[in-house]
Parts: sequence; structure tokens; C-alpha cells
Amino acid sequence: AQTVTQSQPEMSVQEAETVTLSCTYDTSESDYYLFWYKQPPSRQMILVIRQEAYKQQNATENRFSVNFQKAAKSFSLKISDSQLGDAAMYFCAYSIYNFNKFYFGSGTKLNVKP
Amino acid sequence: SAVISQKPSRDICQRGTSLTIQCQVDSQVTMMFWYRQQPGQSLTLIATANQGSEATYESGFVIDKFPISRPNLTFSTLTVSNMSPEDSSIYLCSVQSGRSGNTIYFGEGSWLTVV
Repeated sequence: AQTVTQSQPEMSVQEAETVTLSCTYDTSESDYYLFWYKQPPSRQMILVIRQEAYKQQNATENRFSVNFQKAAKSFSLKISDSQLGDAAMYFCAYSIYNFNKFYFGSGTKLNVKP
Repeated sequence: SAVISQKPSRDICQRGTSLTIQCQVDSQVTMMFWYRQQPGQSLTLIATANQGSEATYESGFVIDKFPISRPNLTFSTLTVSNMSPEDSSIYLCSVQSGRSGNTIYFGEGSWLTVV
């Protein structure tokens, strides 16, 4: 069964510093996608970054980057130069290639201190 | 990316009543999904709705409680029937879109409180 685990319910970071959110997953599939979504208080789920499992290169999107370790089934999100607007719930998600289902982790609440 | 609009954004509902949530997408999409997010929880998939076929429900969710319509490629509705306080949740519509169809986008959610 596919599961996604986020072991950090809440984290804090100082503005302008770097923070890493952890995510592990369990799957027997070889072809899949991993995602990080951000949910601010407005409730809108916003795609932060996506990683295809067949790609060895880690995805980056401006200040956001991932550390994808396929053998370890680990998919962490690094946020550099943290900004106040980064404060939100962050959900790690997994989907097999045909996207019939998404599996979400329990979320990590990120606080950004000025 | 796809732009997804949900209505209502927020509502307070009486126990025993039903409410229909609408989801409108600005482009044609094959797969639409409905999720529930209970307070402080993660997202749980309710069902997948493809145009022209019956929705596929996940374990723990049934059509009588959560009937879904998908009349065309840009629109879907989810009805929460005979509501109880346990149904108080955010309900999110999402669609498969993007290049190669390999990304899921979400609406802004509908926050229902049942009293």
C-alpha cells in the first residue's frame, strides 16, 4: 500500500534562513510522481514543486528545491531565504503515473518568524 | 495551469439538510477529483469523476451520501446529503492538467460547517 509520512507536525524558521521539510513514502511502483503542495490560511492548495521518479536530477523552483532519494524513498523540501509569505501547511503527495489517486501526508505547519 | 472555481466558498448548514458544491474549470479536463479535509487533517479522496461515466468512490464513501455529477468536461458537482456535524470539513475539487497531464490543481475549497 502506498503511504506518505511527514514526521514533522510543525516547524519554525527565521526569516531569510533555510528550512528543510521531510517526507518519506512507501511504494512498490517504479514510475510515479512526488509533489509538495502549500496550503496557506486561505485554504487554496498551491503546487510548490513536482518530481518525476524517473528523473535523477532534483527539481528546483526558485527558492524551493527537493532532495529526492529514490532508494531511501525520501523526498524533502528545502526552502531558502524564507519569507513571511511561506508560512503555511505543507503537504507532501505521491501519485502513480496515471494519477488515478493522490496520497497525501499529514502535513507540516511552517511558521516563519520575522 | 488550470483555474478552478468552487461555490460556495463557505456555508453554515443545518443538520439533516443537503448542500451541493459546484466546481467550474476554465479548460476541458478528463479527470476531476473531490477531496475532503477535516479540521486539522490531511486530504482524503472521496471520488473520481470522469465525464460520461459514474463516479468512482473510495472506501468509506458512498454515492447516497456524496452524489456527484459530471455533465461536461468543465463542470462537476458534489452533494453532501443528510449532513451531520461530522461532515464539517473543507471540500476541495481538483483536476488533472498541465503539460502531459501530470499535475493536479486544486480549487480554493468549500468550507462547510454543520450545526
